[in-house]
Amino acid sequence: DAGVTQSPTHLIKTRGQQVTLRCSPKSGHDTVSWYQQALGQGPQFIFQYYEEEERQRGNFPDRFSGHQFPNYSSELNVNALLLGDSALYLCASSLTIAREQFFGPGTRLTVL
Amino acid sequence: QKEVEQDPGPLSVPEGAIVSLNCTYSNSAFQYFMWYRQYSRKGPELLMYTYSSGNKEDGRFTAQVDKSSKYISLFIRDSQPSDSATYLCAPGRGSNYKLTFGKGTLLTVNP
Repeated sequence: DAGVTQSPTHLIKTRGQQVTLRCSPKSGHDTVSWYQQALGQGPQFIFQYYEEEERQRGNFPDRFSGHQFPNYSSELNVNALLLGDSALYLCASSLTIAREQFFGPGTRLTVL
Repeated sequence: QKEVEQDPGPLSVPEGAIVSLNCTYSNSAFQYFMWYRQYSRKGPELLMYTYSSGNKEDGRFTAQVDKSSKYISLFIRDSQPSDSATYLCAPGRGSNYKLTFGKGTLLTVNP
C-alpha cells in the first residue's frame, strides 16, 4: 500500500512565477491538507480539501490556491512567487472521520 | 503568546539515555495531542497520539498529557542513534481539524 506521494521532489523558480505541486493521498483516504514548513520551523497549515471543496484555510494569502480531484488527489498552486515562499510543502492525507494525518515526503521549493 | 511552544534544542544525549521532550499549549479547545518524528529532509512521521490526561505507552515511547497545566511530554527510553531526528508536537481538535505544530526539538543520540 503506497503512502502519501508528492511531486515533484524539488523545484526551483524565480520571483513572480507560478508553481503547481501535486499530492496523491494514501489509499482509502478522502481528505488532503497542505502545510508549509520553513527552515527550522514546524509545519504551518495552508488549507484542507474534502469532497473537492476547500473546507478549512489557514492564514495564507489568496496567492495560495488548491484543488481536489474526484480521485482525491490534490494540487497546490502558488502565484506571484516571493522569496519567502521558499519552503518544504507537505501534503497530509486522512479520513474525514479520523484524527490522524499522514504526511508525504514533501516538495522542496526554492524561489530565487 | 503562540498556541504551541516547544524548546527547539538542540538536545544531544548518549545512546541509552532517557530523553524528555516537552511542549506547552495555550488553547483549551485542544482535545488530542500528536507527536511526529521528522528525519532530515523527510516528511513528518506520526509516532503516537493521545487524547486524555495521563500516560500512553508504545514500546520505548511514552506520551504524557497534563491538560490542567497545558503541558505535554514525550519520553524515549533506551534512546538509539536512529532516534536522532526532529520531534514535533501537534495538538488538534475535532475530526480532521488542522494541526498546530510546535517548532520542533532537534534530538541527536550519540553512539
